[in-house]
This record gives sequence, C-alpha cells and structure tokens, in this order.
Amino acid sequence: AQTVTQSQPEMSVQEAETVTLSCTYDTSESNYYLFWYKQPPSRQMILVIRQEAYKQQNATENRFSVNFQKAAKSFSLKISDSQLGDTAMYFCAPVTGTYKYIFGTGTRLKVLA
Amino acid sequence: DTGVSQNPRHKITKRGQNVTFRCDPISEHNRLYWYRQTLGQGPEFLTYFQNEAQLEKSRLLSDRFSAERPKGSFSTLEIQRTEQGDSAMYLCASSLPGLNTEAFFGQGTRLTVV
Repeated sequence: AQTVTQSQPEMSVQEAETVTLSCTYDTSESNYYLFWYKQPPSRQMILVIRQEAYKQQNATENRFSVNFQKAAKSFSLKISDSQLGDTAMYFCAPVTGTYKYIFGTGTRLKVLA
Repeated sequence: DTGVSQNPRHKITKRGQNVTFRCDPISEHNRLYWYRQTLGQGPEFLTYFQNEAQLEKSRLLSDRFSAERPKGSFSTLEIQRTEQGDSAMYLCASSLPGLNTEAFFGQGTRLTVV
C-alpha cells in the first residue's frame, strides 16, 4: 500500500523568503507521478506542481520547484520569494497505476508580513 | 465550464438520517473521485469512477456509503443511517485519463451530523 509522510505539520516563513516543505512516500511501482496541491483557507484544492518519476530533472513552475530524490522516495517543495497568498495547507500526493491520489496529512504554511 | 460543482455546500442532519450529495465534474473529464477530509487532515480516498464504472472503493468505506455515476456524467454519494463520525468535508474531483493529469477539485460539501 502507498503511504505518504509529511513530517512538518506547520511552518511559517517571512514574506519574500524561501521555504521548503518535505514529503516522503512509499510505493512499489516504478512509473508514477508526484503532485503538490495547495488548499487555501476555505477554498478548493489547486495544483501547484507535478513531477514524473522517470524524469531526473526537477520540475519548476515560476516560484515553485521540487527536489525529487527517487532512490530516497523524497519529494520536497521549495517556494521562493514567498507571498502572503501562499498561505495554505500543502499536500503531497503520488499517483500510480491505480490512478488515485493518496494524500499526506499536509503542512500548514503561514506567510508572515 | 465553471469547474467541478458540488451541492449542497453545507448539510446538517440528525443522526440516523440518510443524506445524498451531488458532484458535477468538468464535462470532458471521464474520471471522478470522492474524498473525505476531516479537520487538519489530508483528503482520504473513498472511491473513483472511470465513466460510469466504479473502479475502486476504499476498504475503509462502510456499507452505509454508496456512490453512483449514471451515464458517466454527474455523481452522487449517499450515506445511509448517518453517524456523528461521518461529519467531515466531502470532496469531489475530476480529471482526464492518464497518470500525469491534474485533478480539479470542487469546493466540497460540509456534513455535520448532530
């Protein structure tokens, strides 16, 4: 069974600084994708970034980038130049051949002015 | 298209009553997912459909829960004989086929069982 661990329940960062959220997962499958989703307070989940397990190059989307370590089954999210609008719950989720997203317990990020 | 729509947004029910929630996915999405989320936790997988076929149902889901997706369009999630432990946010998501496709989530239905 897949498991996802997000070991940081809460984090805070000053506006304009950089923060890294950690995620480790366990799967026996060789082909899968990894996603980070963001859930702002009282709003719906939205995709932040995705990474294919076969690609060695780390994905980047504007201020968001990942550090994907396949052997260690680690998939951390780095947010650069943090903005107040980044305040949200962040969830890591692998997707394998079963096509269902398995979410971690999340990290609550607060960006401080 | 306005995205994934869920109704109602809030539902308060007495213990023992039945409730039904509706999800309207993005029209061209053939995959539809139901998740349950309690306060401070990540979404927990309940079930998912590909078109009208229910492909997987969580073992955590009791027999009181049932989901349908007639004609591969909207979906309903019914909870029979509700219990206080069923109080949660119920999320629906839809996506196109493929491992790398983005799931689009609705705003959820918040159920409170009193």
